[in-house]
Amino acid sequence: KAGVTQTPRYLIKTRGQQVTLSCSPISGHRSVSWYQQTPGQGLQFLFEYFSETQRNKGNFPGRFSGRQFSNSRSEMNVSTLELGDSALYLCASSLDTFSGNTIYFGEGSWLTVV
Amino acid sequence: AQSVTQLGSHVSVSEGALVLLRCNYSSSVPPYLFWYVQYPNQGLQLLLKYTSAATLVKGINGFEAEFKKSETSFHLTKPSAHMSDAAEYFCAVSSGSGGGADGLTFGKGTHLIIQP
Repeated sequence: KAGVTQTPRYLIKTRGQQVTLSCSPISGHRSVSWYQQTPGQGLQFLFEYFSETQRNKGNFPGRFSGRQFSNSRSEMNVSTLELGDSALYLCASSLDTFSGNTIYFGEGSWLTVV
Repeated sequence: AQSVTQLGSHVSVSEGALVLLRCNYSSSVPPYLFWYVQYPNQGLQLLLKYTSAATLVKGINGFEAEFKKSETSFHLTKPSAHMSDAAEYFCAVSSGSGGGADGLTFGKGTHLIIQP
């Protein structure tokens, strides 16, 4: 069974640009969530999607957005990139929204903003 | 609101020695607790989770953790450390108060160093 797949794995963007990251969840998983990992702030919850609906969002500015498609695949977008957006962005999937479900993480997308 | 505190950003043990990584949580409702491991340049891998069944939870790679409600703790242990255990370990809590949509709240992580 394939795991959570994220693309691209590495990318470099310039300040002010925008970026879109893609995530394919484990087959059969309908909940997809996104996390940002930085050395200073650690792992922080961005948002979670279930059945194409954003159910919750962490404490991030509106520049961070996402969506989920009918096949559960998800994308996140960051507009007007800032240097501080450089981070590892992790996508995770689970069967549904039950809090006790195991959440499986992808390898992440490394974003560097210059 | 929920939070996680991991005591010790770095823990160093000798190969073959006991590994103990500390995690304390705060949650307004009964929590679900997780330990994840992250190897360099990789994502997070689940070691084990507590979901209100047995308080002593056994995970992969010989790790286990004990849920102690009175101490609000969920410490991770392994009887004998192996060089391959060197990695970053994260404790996380999900309280489900938002119907599961609140996401995981992670601790800052503990870097485990194994001395030969």
